[in-house]
Amino acid sequence: EAQVTQNPRYLITVTGKKLTVTCSQNMNHEYMSWYRQDPGLGLRQIYYSMNVEVTDKGDVPEGYKVSRKEKRNFPLILESPSPNQTSLYFCASRPNPGTSTYEQFFGPGTRLTVL
Amino acid sequence: KNEVEQSPQNLTAQEGEFITINCSYSVGISALHWLQQHPGGGIVSLFMLSSGKKKHGRLIATINIQEKHSSLHITASHPRDSAVYICAGRSGNTPLVFGKGTRLSVIA
Repeated sequence: EAQVTQNPRYLITVTGKKLTVTCSQNMNHEYMSWYRQDPGLGLRQIYYSMNVEVTDKGDVPEGYKVSRKEKRNFPLILESPSPNQTSLYFCASRPNPGTSTYEQFFGPGTRLTVL
Repeated sequence: KNEVEQSPQNLTAQEGEFITINCSYSVGISALHWLQQHPGGGIVSLFMLSSGKKKHGRLIATINIQEKHSSLHITASHPRDSAVYICAGRSGNTPLVFGKGTRLSVIA
């Protein structure tokens, strides 16, 4: 089944404790991205990657890191989480333009609480 | 900067009603995505369109390039259609720009 998986789905942590949210897709998509969703603000992009070893900042990259060492994986790293990073996080992937379908696939979401 | 505006923010309908959600976007956006976010939080892609009209079951999406406007219609609405509907614009291969979403509640 074509899907994007994220882990963990729920996480409660404390300020300053490094954490990684994993994201994996099995559709051989080149493009992957991370979003956060906050009430009243909608979805905002954190980082995106056009392909392996190619990453770029989105609208709200401060406090986050990403890496793209393999095509299928795109982990989101919070080196020193703070309470303002409490949010619902989504990973997504899509093929590059020119393919027959350009649908964006979303992971199930990770609800993060930073105390 | 590319922008996407949705209306209405909230919508309550009786079961069976025809529903329309609107999305206006700025110059530069070449394609529109319609997404559905379930009450549990999961997001599903409904449509991606750059011209004309697409239909899937009771859902219809249209786009007017000249007016920079897209609509999502739901025919014969049902309580299971209750969700947040989000439009998102894209220019080429740039990141998506999201609207704030429309919260739809369909009452039996």
